[in-house]
Amino acid sequence: DAGVIQSPRHEVTEMGQEVTLRCKPISGHNSLFWYRQTMMRGLELLIYFNNNVPIDDSGMPEDRFSAKMPNASFSTLKIQPSEPRDSAVYFCASSFRSDRGIGYTFGSGTRLTVV
Amino acid sequence: TQLLEQSPQFLSIQEGENLTVYCNSSSVFSSLQWYRQEPGEGPVLLVTVVTGGEVKKLKRLTFQFGDARKDSSLHITAAQPGDTGLYLCVGVAGSYQLTFGKGTKLSVIP
Repeated sequence: DAGVIQSPRHEVTEMGQEVTLRCKPISGHNSLFWYRQTMMRGLELLIYFNNNVPIDDSGMPEDRFSAKMPNASFSTLKIQPSEPRDSAVYFCASSFRSDRGIGYTFGSGTRLTVV
Repeated sequence: TQLLEQSPQFLSIQEGENLTVYCNSSSVFSSLQWYRQEPGEGPVLLVTVVTGGEVKKLKRLTFQFGDARKDSSLHITAAQPGDTGLYLCVGVAGSYQLTFGKGTKLSVIP
């Protein structure tokens, strides 16, 4: 299993540009999460999908952020327009539920720098 | 808002020493997870503890869940440089709500 795959690994963009982050969850996992990690705030949940449907987007900072999951194997997180304060590492995670509880698998993240 | 406090925030020790990391909350969780994150990578799940008072061992790592399911500890025996990383305590409540601690950054010096 290749795990959760995120692209790109690094993104440097100018303020005002549109940024699209991509995620391929583990096959068979029916839940997908987007997180943002910064030194100051740690890991913050942005949005949660279950069976491709957004369930909780209360963590999305503002209207500049949007996320989609058109099918079970792909999700995007878009920032338009980007701002320097959006600089962070963005993680996608997928999860499954078993009789041992919930298991979360994180991707390697996208390090976003907005200059 | 549920909060998880981890201590210490930073820990630098010599190879072979023992250490304990603590995770405390005023909230009760259905389970608690520990993750390790290495630079440039995402967190990797180490263990899930579910029952109050539960103790789980993973080689040199011992995880304990408090009786009231509000706190946890991670003890590492004879630390090795490969243990270096950010250790995250995560409280699980409900079907998907994860509460992350800020983490303990561990450096094990050879």
